[in-house]
Amino acid sequence: EAQVTQNPRYLITVTGKKLTVTCSQNMNHEYMSWYRQDPGLGLRQIYYSMNVEVTDKGDVPEGYKVSRKEKRNFPLILESPSPNQTSLYFCASSFSDRGFGYTFGSGTRLTVV
Amino acid sequence: LAKTTQPISMDSYEGQEVNITCSHNNIATNDYITWYQQFPSQGPRFIIQGYKTKVTNEVASLFIPADRKSSTLSLPRVSLSDTAVYYCLVGDPRDDKIIFGKGTRLHILP
Repeated sequence: EAQVTQNPRYLITVTGKKLTVTCSQNMNHEYMSWYRQDPGLGLRQIYYSMNVEVTDKGDVPEGYKVSRKEKRNFPLILESPSPNQTSLYFCASSFSDRGFGYTFGSGTRLTVV
Repeated sequence: LAKTTQPISMDSYEGQEVNITCSHNNIATNDYITWYQQFPSQGPRFIIQGYKTKVTNEVASLFIPADRKSSTLSLPRVSLSDTAVYYCLVGDPRDDKIIFGKGTRLHILP
């Protein structure tokens, strides 16, 4: 089944403790992206990647890192999480960077206390 | 920076046709307009895309005027299960970023 898999689905952590949210897709998509979703703010892009070793900042990249060493994986790294990074995170992949054909993961609900 | 503007929320009744309009004044020449649907605690799901005029699939229709500065998603005969948030996406002509609007929360009443 074609899908984007995120892990974990839920995570509660403490301020400053490094964490990684994994994202993997099995569709051989070149384009991958991370979004965060907060009440009243819709979906905001954090980082995106056009291909292996090619990443770029989205609208809200502060406090996040990403890497794209393999085509299928695009982990999101929070080096020192803070409470304002409490959010619902989605990973997406696509064959195009023009907004159609995105497949989204099921989401990761992160709480930083 | 291109932005999209959608109504924050809409209510309708089962069996009605619902039209949601998105404004996008600075859409790029070569970009498509795409609509997504999102249920609570799930990732968005692709509904429909178009470039100009009208596109129809088994779920919805998309109407785009000649100037492409807006688009209208049309959902025929909605049911309670169509209650969701609907997002309009367009390309950003300045920096190639794809921008989600804040979405329209559609609430279908029995």
